[in-house]
Amino acid sequence: ETGVTQSPTHLIKTRGQQVTLRCSSQSGHNTVSWYQQALGQGPQFIFQYYREEENGRGNFPPRFSGLQFPNYSSELNVNALELDDSALYLCASTLAGGAYEQYFGPGTRLTVT
Amino acid sequence: QKEVEQDPGPLSVPEGAIVSLNCTYSNSAFQYFMWYRQYSRKGPELLMYTYSSGNKEDGRFTAQVDKSSKYISLFIRDSQPSDSATYLCAMRPSGGYQKVTFGTGTKLQVIP
Repeated sequence: ETGVTQSPTHLIKTRGQQVTLRCSSQSGHNTVSWYQQALGQGPQFIFQYYREEENGRGNFPPRFSGLQFPNYSSELNVNALELDDSALYLCASTLAGGAYEQYFGPGTRLTVT
Repeated sequence: QKEVEQDPGPLSVPEGAIVSLNCTYSNSAFQYFMWYRQYSRKGPELLMYTYSSGNKEDGRFTAQVDKSSKYISLFIRDSQPSDSATYLCAMRPSGGYQKVTFGTGTKLQVIP
């Protein structure tokens, strides 16, 4: 087990709705990244937070936003859901000073109908 | 063209076989190279990493990086049914924020 937890496990939403996904990292993991993994694809980088500030973003529109909290938890918010947003959403945390050891949570599977 | 190309498989081998998994990439800025294993309905698990070119061995796993050819490999010796999973290659530049670019993953099945 990586010590990274995500909630909820599964979620079904309707197109146009908003959703919040949650991630809890281990103590000392001050960097968290969020990824979107469509079926049969590799994870796609959404953005990264370091010390509660976004410090990098992939090719995702502004309706994808996030927050990181001092207690090593974080959120991914998606507004105006589209059918193509259906995917597994993964968060990954990194120990302070770690360059490559990202510890992934089990993911939240989002279905948009 | 994708930055990272990986054959999606599926790849089916008998137990005990040597498995070779490969990825090619186009971004010469990539310096860190990783292999992840992902079981069904689980998050990716880091297996191996290498920095720049060279080989790295860990038990039954060997990772190779050839930066001149922009080609990386993962070898699994004495494959076991428990190795059945999807294997993702991943890579990132050095410095800056940690945007990791993944391949599509190769699904491996080891048949007892």
